[in-house]
Amino acid sequence: QVHLQASGPGLVKPSETLSLTCTVSGASMNTFYWSWIRQTPGRGLELIAYRDNSGRPNYNPSLNGRVTMSVDASTSQFSLKLISVTAADTAIYYCAGSFSNSGIDYWGQGTLVTVTS
Amino acid sequence: DIQMSQSPSSLSTSVGDRVTITCRASQAIVDSLHWYQQMPGKAPKLLIHDASNLETGVPSRFSGSGSGTHFTLTINSLQPEDFATYFCQQSETFPYTFGQGTRLEIK
Repeated sequence: QVHLQASGPGLVKPSETLSLTCTVSGASMNTFYWSWIRQTPGRGLELIAYRDNSGRPNYNPSLNGRVTMSVDASTSQFSLKLISVTAADTAIYYCAGSFSNSGIDYWGQGTLVTVTS
Repeated sequence: DIQMSQSPSSLSTSVGDRVTITCRASQAIVDSLHWYQQMPGKAPKLLIHDASNLETGVPSRFSGSGSGTHFTLTINSLQPEDFATYFCQQSETFPYTFGQGTRLEIK
């Protein structure tokens, strides 16, 4: 059974870096597709980073180059870094995994990150 | 980016009703369209992938159809546990984008 658990600070100061880690169990880090998705009442669901099974990461251009995603198969984790955050980055962040790009099969529980001074 | 437009944004309905939710893409996405259900405070759950393929374990009262730019999610004989928010998502062109959601409320 695939399980994803996101962890990281719930509060981040403006202009600083948001860092989240997703710990995975029950899935192959090298064959699954991994995603970071965020949700806000105003913008809805937004896919911000995505790594397909070629190992190539894709980043949503709306983040203007502020986002980096990495995968560490040795620890069964993947991570998200978002630099220069503002209040607009306040959201529930989900880590997620898929067998393919035909829908997102598995979601973590979501973690609320608030950007505030 | 491909814009996904869902309608209605909310719907007041009753147990036993048949509901249809529409999702339109701003450009053709073949059948790369997926439907999710989200309960309050929970992560979305994949219901249907590739427009019409029901995920394992999803009740048969859920069905999806469409291709190109027009898609529908139909729920036959609504059950109490179906009152939730439903999202569509395209995976034809990155960034993969979601509709704004349709909230089903009990009348």
